[in-house]
Amino acid sequence: GQQLNQSPQSMFIQEGEDVSMNCTSSSIFNTWLWYKQEPGEGPVLLIALYKAGELTSNGRLTAQFGITRKDSFLNISASIPSDVGIYFCAGSEEDFGNEKLTFGTGTRLTIIP
Amino acid sequence: NAGVTQTPKFQVLKTGQSMTLQCAQDMNHEYMSWYRQDPGMGLRLIHYSVGAGITDQGEVPNGYNVSRSTTEDFPLRLLSAAPSQTSVYFCASSYWTGELFFGEGSRLTVL
Repeated sequence: GQQLNQSPQSMFIQEGEDVSMNCTSSSIFNTWLWYKQEPGEGPVLLIALYKAGELTSNGRLTAQFGITRKDSFLNISASIPSDVGIYFCAGSEEDFGNEKLTFGTGTRLTIIP
Repeated sequence: NAGVTQTPKFQVLKTGQSMTLQCAQDMNHEYMSWYRQDPGMGLRLIHYSVGAGITDQGEVPNGYNVSRSTTEDFPLRLLSAAPSQTSVYFCASSYWTGELFFGEGSRLTVL
């Protein structure tokens, strides 16, 4: 099946710092999505990307669909305590499709007091 | 608005037992899917459905059955539970995009 490599696996940062994480695939994707999961909950969609080169923001979060269509990036600016959680990238070869959505292994974000 | 509802939230089974994880959504979504989440492995697709009466296999379908008789419901059946099926199971639904809405998860332990 598809392979999504997500890095880093974990991050320990101080409140107020910016965060960057990325995801790379072994094949071309037509859809990239970023989800966040908090303890005991299901993942929640943060940002969806449908076009190579697309840059989309959601508040302090910004995600980009890589021009090679094999990678995507998520940045969080000025982190706050509620940003703690696991961030997953996900991708699909389908155009606007979701039949075979592949997830990365996640980046666990911890904020040091 | 309930969204995606999964039951039970916790379950302990013995090896060889069977059970059904229930999933219901009230958003009139055509697409529904089941994922399992294991430490360090992200979410892996078990089965999915693009509409009532239509199901297909995902990445890890062995040991699981699904059916989709209505738009709202998508139950996942474990035929003969094995310790390797100890996991957290998530049901998700969406329209035709990848913008999935997830349930809160069902935590299954197989002894």
